[in-house]
Amino acid sequence: QQQVKQSPQSLIVQKGGISIINCAYENTAFDYFPWYQQFPGKGPALLIAIRPDVSEKKEGRFTISFNKSAKQFSLHIMDSQPGDSATYFCAASMNRDDKIIFGKGTRLHILP
Amino acid sequence: DVKVTQSSRYLVKRTGEKVFLECVQDMDHENMFWYRQDPGLGLRLIYFSYDVKMKEKGDIPEGYSVSREKKERFSLILESASTNQTSMYLCASNTGQGATSGASLGELFFGEGSRLTVL
Repeated sequence: QQQVKQSPQSLIVQKGGISIINCAYENTAFDYFPWYQQFPGKGPALLIAIRPDVSEKKEGRFTISFNKSAKQFSLHIMDSQPGDSATYFCAASMNRDDKIIFGKGTRLHILP
Repeated sequence: DVKVTQSSRYLVKRTGEKVFLECVQDMDHENMFWYRQDPGLGLRLIYFSYDVKMKEKGDIPEGYSVSREKKERFSLILESASTNQTSMYLCASNTGQGATSGASLGELFFGEGSRLTVL
């Protein structure tokens, strides 16, 4: 019930293309779904997050789509750039519990 | 800006040695966490702490202990290091549920990691 499943494990996208990373969860008590971005040699940093009362959140080229009934959420990176090459982690947590559960990560490479 | 500082970026230790990984945060956060990161396994929670002198086990606590004597400092201890503890260790902090800081509730702030090699 605590698991967050992330796919794909790695992804290669041409510059200007759309990168899509998917996550699924089982625990319906989760109510906060962040995405973290990690560059080599750095710790992860919050990229964008969503709560289940909305189906989509957009910040610049990054969009989270959330499907509560399917218990799935995804990150879309529009007009992908080489600078977006990083590892991306989806995550989930419950409001009553500060512990955040992470997916296994997706290594994204944007071809120049 | 929030800063989480891990004292050692790279460590090489021998099997059986005692290892201390130190982490300090400067934002007066209530919560602190230790994760380990391994390829293909993502970020796995070792221990976390909601308050000074409080600690709770995460998903993989075996072989580790922690200490939180001061609010800003959270230490990870490997009592007797083993080769399967070779990994990247990440410290993180965030605000507690009742806090009113400007950070998004739940946003974790990570250090840059400590890469430990056990020979």
